[in-house]
Amino acid sequence: DADVTQTPRNRITKTGKRIMLECSQTKGHDRMYWYRQDPGLGLRLIYYSFDVKDINKGEISDGYSVSRQAQAKFSLSLESAIPNQTALYFCATSDSGEYEQYFGPGTRLTVT
Amino acid sequence: QKEVEQNSGPLSVPEGAIASLNCTYSDRGSQSFFWYRQYSGKSPELIMFIYSNGDKEDGRFTAQLNKASQYVSLLIRDSQPSDSATYLCAVNKGFWAGNNRKLIWGLGTSLAVNP
Repeated sequence: DADVTQTPRNRITKTGKRIMLECSQTKGHDRMYWYRQDPGLGLRLIYYSFDVKDINKGEISDGYSVSRQAQAKFSLSLESAIPNQTALYFCATSDSGEYEQYFGPGTRLTVT
Repeated sequence: QKEVEQNSGPLSVPEGAIASLNCTYSDRGSQSFFWYRQYSGKSPELIMFIYSNGDKEDGRFTAQLNKASQYVSLLIRDSQPSDSATYLCAVNKGFWAGNNRKLIWGLGTSLAVNP
């Protein structure tokens, strides 16, 4: 079984809709991250969490919110989706003592 | 100046050749350096990490780090068509950031290995 899972894997939604992307991990890592990736713009950090009570904004948090429900679960919400949020979204995890990150398979989100 | 810079490519090499991918970084306090491989539409996959100056070898891959010159490179020996992917360089933000250290990502270099 995959160590980091994301649901859904693909989603098409309309402008203005609320959508939640979910991430679960079995690696036992404390730190979890949400990224988006757009062609030519690379990976950009949306939010990150170092433990359940520690949530931080990344470089592009506007229009997004997160919830860390447990050590193993980190959800990303788009309160009112807009077309320029169309992207590939990745969840990642890392151990508190090390910094390499392990990625989930990604969610391809399309906002029409 | 971007914090982590990579040549976008594409870098094209023939099968069996050595592919050399380079990455420069701006934060002199950076201590950890990572290479990821990403196939189109897939998630980044960790290939190697390196912390100390010099070379680190793992199979066909060698990471090279030069902190004085602030660059890290990845060599892929005996390149195979299956190595065709985008290679991402990631650098930690530096010891001064303490617990807020995060990875800073380059935009990646596209590698094409031609049969």
